[in-house]
Amino acid sequence: QVQLQESGPGLVKPSETLSLTCTVSGGSIRNYYWSWIRQPPGKGLEWIGYIYYSGSTNYNPSLKSRVTISVDTSKNQFSLKLSSVTAADTAVYFCAREIFRAGGTTVDYFDYWGQGTLVTVSS
Amino acid sequence: SYELTQPPSVSVSPGQTASITCSGDKLGNKYACWYQQKPGQSPVLVIFQDSRRPSGIPERFSGSNSGNTATLTISGTQAMDEADYYCQAWDSSTVVFGGGTRLTVL
Repeated sequence: QVQLQESGPGLVKPSETLSLTCTVSGGSIRNYYWSWIRQPPGKGLEWIGYIYYSGSTNYNPSLKSRVTISVDTSKNQFSLKLSSVTAADTAVYFCAREIFRAGGTTVDYFDYWGQGTLVTVSS
Repeated sequence: SYELTQPPSVSVSPGQTASITCSGDKLGNKYACWYQQKPGQSPVLVIFQDSRRPSGIPERFSGSNSGNTATLTISGTQAMDEADYYCQAWDSSTVVFGGGTRLTVL
């Protein structure tokens, strides 16, 4: 059974960089896509971006200028950096495994999720 | 940018059938999936590729997708099905989520 666990600071100051790591256990990070998704308190889900185990990435255009996702296959981990944060970036951040197959009709869904971690942006 | 629209809330009596819709331009030409999220928990995939159920998801959950609307149907709704439900699709190289529907079982 694949399990994902987010880790990182729960409090970040405005204008600084939010950094989170997701550790994957119970399976290899290889041959899959791995995503970050966030949920502001009381609101809906927002996809941040994904990384393939080889290192190729795809980001939400609305966040692209501030987001970097990286992967460390030796540690079975992938990470998120979000720069220049504001209070609007306060959210529960989830990591998830993304099943993605491009084709005539692209297959895309998230089958395993971490428990989520609340990150608050405040001075 | 592509948008998926869901009703904010749906109510259903125990044992009855609940239907939650998700609307988007030509959504039927894409694959839709659905997630269930209970308070304080992470989302759980309940339907993928329009109508397929992951292992462990009860048969009372079913899905369809045609035209501009995908529908999640819960037959014989139980109290434990009370949750927020989100649809999701892929468009123009991005993941799109619907705004979510709160299902109340009363």
